[in-house]
Formats: sequence, structure tokens, C-alpha cells
Amino acid sequence: EAGVTQFPSHSVIEKGQTVTLRCDPISGHDNLYWYRRVMGKEIKFLLHFVKESKQDESGMPNNRFLAERTGGTYSTLKVQPAELEDSGVYFCASSPTPRGEETQYFGPGTRLLVL
Amino acid sequence: AQTVTQSQPEMSVQEAETVTLSCTYDTSESDYYLFWYKQPPSRQMILVIRQEAYKQQNATENRFSVNFQKAAKSFSLKISDSQLGDAAMYFCAYRTGGTSYGKLTFGQGTILTVHP
Repeated sequence: EAGVTQFPSHSVIEKGQTVTLRCDPISGHDNLYWYRRVMGKEIKFLLHFVKESKQDESGMPNNRFLAERTGGTYSTLKVQPAELEDSGVYFCASSPTPRGEETQYFGPGTRLLVL
Repeated sequence: AQTVTQSQPEMSVQEAETVTLSCTYDTSESDYYLFWYKQPPSRQMILVIRQEAYKQQNATENRFSVNFQKAAKSFSLKISDSQLGDAAMYFCAYRTGGTSYGKLTFGQGTILTVHP
């Protein structure tokens, strides 16, 4: 069974540009999460999809971030326009259910560097 | 809001010896889960061990065990017989129980180095 995949693995862009990150969850996992780790800090939650619906987007930092999950399969996270403080590693995770004991399976992350 | 604190940015251990990674958390909830995740260099994060707050018995997974002190809000990870493959960043994480909340709250992480 394929795990969670993310694309690209690395992205270097200039301030003001747009970047789109993609996450493909494990097949059949209705729940998809985005997290990010800014350099030297803890991993922070961004948002949670249940199928194509946003269940919780309380962690989204501002309106420069737009997440979508069309058809309830893969998800994209667009940053437009990117700022220096957006640099970090963006992780995606998926799980079959949102239950507390459920394991979240993580992707390898996308390393974003904004210059 | 819940918080998770890992006070050890880095730890090291000799191969075959035992090491303990510390984690404390703060919550007013009674139903929750605690996790340790491991992220090896350039690889994805995987679950090491999980503890249900309602269980008094400490979770164990092979060489990995936890010391869960609910009153003290402490959740340390013990790695016995350390192996080179245990070298990784370890994250402690908290999650509310039930079905309403799916997000994990992470600590800052501890880098574990294993010396041969």
C-alpha cells in the first residue's frame, strides 16, 4: 500500500511568488491534515479535511494560504503571495477516521524556502 | 489550549544502552491520547508508541516504552538497547479524544544521536 506522498519535495521561490504544494493521502483515508514546521519551532497544525470539506482550519495563518481537496482525494495548499516567514517544512498526514486514537500517517514533507 | 513541551533539544546515547526522552503537557481535558513520533533523517515521520489517558498501564512496543504520569502531566519515552537506526528526531504529541478533533499538538522535538 502506498503511503502519503507529497510534491514537490523541495521548493525555492522568491518573496511575492506563488507556490502550490500537493498531498496525496493513503487511498481510502477520508481525513487529511496539513501541518508545518517553521525553522527551529514545533510542528503546527494548519487544517483538517474530511473528504472534500474543511473540518477545522483554525491553524491557517492568514488569507495568503488556500487549501483545497477537490473530490476528496488529493489536496493542494497554495501560498500566494509567499512571504519570508512562510519558509519551513509542510507536512501532510492522513487517517481513516478522525478519532483520537487513530494513527495519522505522515508524508515526507515539502521543504519551502522563500528568498 | 493544550501545550506540549520537550525540554531536551538534543540527546545522545551509546549503542545498546538506554535513553529517556522527556515530554510534559498541559491540558484541562480528561479524554486524550499521547503519542511519540519518530522522524529519521530525510524520511517521513512514523508513529512509535501511543498512550491512552484513561489507561494506567504504560504502553510498550518492543524496545520502546513510556512512563505516563497523568497527575504530573508527564509522558517520557524510554528506548532500551538503543540501535543505530533509532537515531532520529523524536516528537511528542497530544490529541483530544473522541471524534470531534483530529489535530495533533506537537512538542518542539528532540534530536537523538546514537553512538556506535
